[in-house]
Amino acid sequence: DAKTTQPNSMESNEEEPVHLPCNHSTISGTDYIHWYRQLPSQGPEYVIHGLTSNVNNRMASLAIAEDRKSSTLILHRATLRDAAVYYCILRDPSNTGNQFYFGTGTSLTVIP
Amino acid sequence: DAGVTQSPTHLIKTRGQQVTLRCSPKSGHDTVSWYQQALGQGPQFIFQYYEEEERQRGNFPDRFSGHQFPNYSSELNVNALLLGDSALYLCASSLVDRGNYEQYFGPGTRLTVT
Repeated sequence: DAKTTQPNSMESNEEEPVHLPCNHSTISGTDYIHWYRQLPSQGPEYVIHGLTSNVNNRMASLAIAEDRKSSTLILHRATLRDAAVYYCILRDPSNTGNQFYFGTGTSLTVIP
Repeated sequence: DAGVTQSPTHLIKTRGQQVTLRCSPKSGHDTVSWYQQALGQGPQFIFQYYEEEERQRGNFPDRFSGHQFPNYSSELNVNALLLGDSALYLCASSLVDRGNYEQYFGPGTRLTVT
């Protein structure tokens, strides 16, 4: 299983940026970095993914270190609705194919 | 556009019984994956179905089996239920032509084994 390490929990004030770190020191050259989040009582939802370059979408930004051994999910302005468990996942389509290995994730609390 | 739907929402079974969970994928999706999520843990991959065949399987015993129908909907069957099978069972759908990178999850079925 591709391994990632995330803090168990983080807190952020509402309307402030949030940086969620993920370490993946054993990442291989073909591993994609995916982020999903799971709101309370819901299934996980896709946030963003990338391979080497930084990525932006309407939900968040993904900053990938040059050596790819770590990455950071950036929420530009946290809202109460962003309170969720955030999962950083490595996936190698050429090896594990479509399996997503979820860890225990980071539980984000947003303080009003 | 309906997203991924699962039924039933909740289920209570007794040890040794068998259970069938159902999933309808997001419209247009052709691939269905099943996950088990124990309390306080992340989802664990069970298996994935595409073109009515099991493509990949996680580390789960043969008591866990599945099926995909021509309309892409899917069932998860668990035989000889154990107390440890109590969990939230999630279904996710995706498109193989898009590399299956974005999986859409349903709300899950909460299974309690007593």
